[in-house]
Formats: sequence, C-alpha cells, structure tokens
Amino acid sequence: AQKITQTQPGMFVQEKEAVTLDCTYDTSDPSYGLFWYKQPSSGEMIFLIYQGSYDQQNATEGRYSLNFQKARKSANLVISASQLGDSAMYFCAMRRNQAGTALIFGKGTTLSVSS
Amino acid sequence: GAVVSQHPSWVICKSGTSVKIECRSLDFQATTMFWYRQFPKQSLMLMATSNEGSKATYEQGVEKDKFLINHASLTLSTLTVTSAHPEDSSFYICSAKPSGAPYEQYFGPGTRLTVT
Repeated sequence: AQKITQTQPGMFVQEKEAVTLDCTYDTSDPSYGLFWYKQPSSGEMIFLIYQGSYDQQNATEGRYSLNFQKARKSANLVISASQLGDSAMYFCAMRRNQAGTALIFGKGTTLSVSS
Repeated sequence: GAVVSQHPSWVICKSGTSVKIECRSLDFQATTMFWYRQFPKQSLMLMATSNEGSKATYEQGVEKDKFLINHASLTLSTLTVTSAHPEDSSFYICSAKPSGAPYEQYFGPGTRLTVT
C-alpha cells in the first residue's frame, strides 16, 4: 500500500535561515510522483514543487528545492532564506498508482518562522 | 489559468438539514474532480472521485447516501451533505484534473462547514 510519512509535527526557524521538512514514502510502483503543498491558515492548498520518480535531477522552484533520495524513499523539502510568510502547514503527497487519480497526503508539518 | 472555485466558502447549517457545495473549474474542462475532507490540524483525506457523466467512486468508509456527488458537466461537481450532523463539520476541498492531463490537478479554496 502507498504511504506518506511526515514525522515532524512542528518546525521552528528564524527568518533568512534554511529549513528542511522531512518526507518519506512507500510504494511498490516504479513510476510515481511526489508533491509538496503549502496550506496557510486560509486553507487553500498552494502547489510548491513536484518530483517524478524518473527525474534525474532534484526539482527546484525558486526558494524551494526537493532533496530526492530514491534509495532511501525520501523527498525532503528545503526552503532557503525563510520568510515570515512561509509560516503555514506543509504537506507531502504522492500520486496514487493510477495516472490521473487522487493524492495521498502525509499528516503535515507546521512551520513557524520568527523574526 | 487553471483556477478552481468553490461555493460557498463557508456555511453554517442546522443539524438535520442538507447543504450543497459547488466546485467549478473556471478556465478548463475537468472530466475528473476529487473531494477531500480535512478535520482541524489533520491531513486531507480523499472522500470520493467524481467523473463527469458517471457515478462517483467513494472511498472505503464514506457513506455515499450521505455525501451525494453529482458531476453533471465538465466544469461543475457538487457535493451535497444530507441530514448533516455536528460530526460532519469539517473543511471540504475539491480538486479538478484537466481533461487530457494525466498528472495535473488544481485545488479549490475549500468550504468550511459548521453544523450546529
């Protein structure tokens, strides 16, 4: 069965510092996709970054990068130069086995950025 | 582009009444839409997959007679919570998959339901 595990309920970081949010996954499918979403207190789900299982390079989007270690089945999100506006809940997710189907989410990590 | 709206954004209803939540893809067609539920400080859990023109597929443990889903057009899916109870109070989020795009999906802003 597919599973996403986020073991950090909460993380605290100061402005301008980098932070890593952990995510491990389990799947028997050789083809899969991993996502990170940000959910501020307003509730909207904001897409941050995507990594396909066959992608050779780690995905990057601005201040966000995904540290993809396939053998370890980990897909950690790295946020560089944290900003106060980064304070939110962060979810790691995996596409379900069949293309075009829904996402399986981890339990999330609450990130708090202080000045 | 790729905007998904939900209406209403929040609703309060009395126990025993029904409430309908709409999910619209504004600038693309979506043959498939997904409905998720999120309790406070918890993760999103898939409730059902809605396919245009056919019956929805419900996840195990989700009562299909209580959570009615209708995907009558390529841009609209509705979730009706029938005979609502306080335990149905939750944040309901839809997402829409553009037709012909196997991996993309876009989330709506969510609907907060409170049943008193």
